[in-house]
Amino acid sequence: QQQVRQSPQSLTVWEGETAILNCSYEDSTFNYFPWYQQFPGEGPALLISIRSVSDKKEDGRFTIFFNKREKKLSLHITDSQPGDSATYFCAASDSNNRIFFGDGTQLVVKP
Amino acid sequence: NSKVIQTPRYLVKGQGQKAKMRCIPEKGHPVVFWYQQNKNNEFKFLINFQNQEVLQQIDMTEKRFSAECPSNSPCSLEIQSSEAGDSALYLCASSLDTEVFFGKGTRLTVV
Repeated sequence: QQQVRQSPQSLTVWEGETAILNCSYEDSTFNYFPWYQQFPGEGPALLISIRSVSDKKEDGRFTIFFNKREKKLSLHITDSQPGDSATYFCAASDSNNRIFFGDGTQLVVKP
Repeated sequence: NSKVIQTPRYLVKGQGQKAKMRCIPEKGHPVVFWYQQNKNNEFKFLINFQNQEVLQQIDMTEKRFSAECPSNSPCSLEIQSSEAGDSALYLCASSLDTEVFFGKGTRLTVV
């Protein structure tokens, strides 16, 4: 059973727009939710993360909105730039630190 | 920026050959993970260590893979007899607490 689901699979936005990437999870024991950014040929890089005690986390142009009751979260990228074009993975982990990844959203930002 | 170092970046092996890859975790990080990422971007957890001891591993890792994280030496993941289906990006990651940082990966191609 897929523990973490992401949508959409791919997303195209224009430069300057806000990209919204969605994520949901199954296991209510998950308490930490990192988002990773991965460029082709590279490993995933930790972008921003949130703990389940919070409902929002902001870091520059990147914001996570978290809804524990619905087991959903989203990553908002404001003022999207062509350099943001990458695959974004939502992940979840529990107290054992093992990470479960979604299948990714491929973001394309057109200039 | 991640300080996890993986070598080699690329590895090409024939079927039945051994394939060995190495990882130097970030200094001071006691927990090390290995993940396999396939061409569909799906992540598969393989094994993790804490201070040289195996915490968790999946069945596949027990049977055809061997991994170790000796003190004062790089961690390693070895596939005893490579199969075509093992072609993937192998990612090493390390963690001090909840944040997990990945290396750039070793791209294994089994021909």
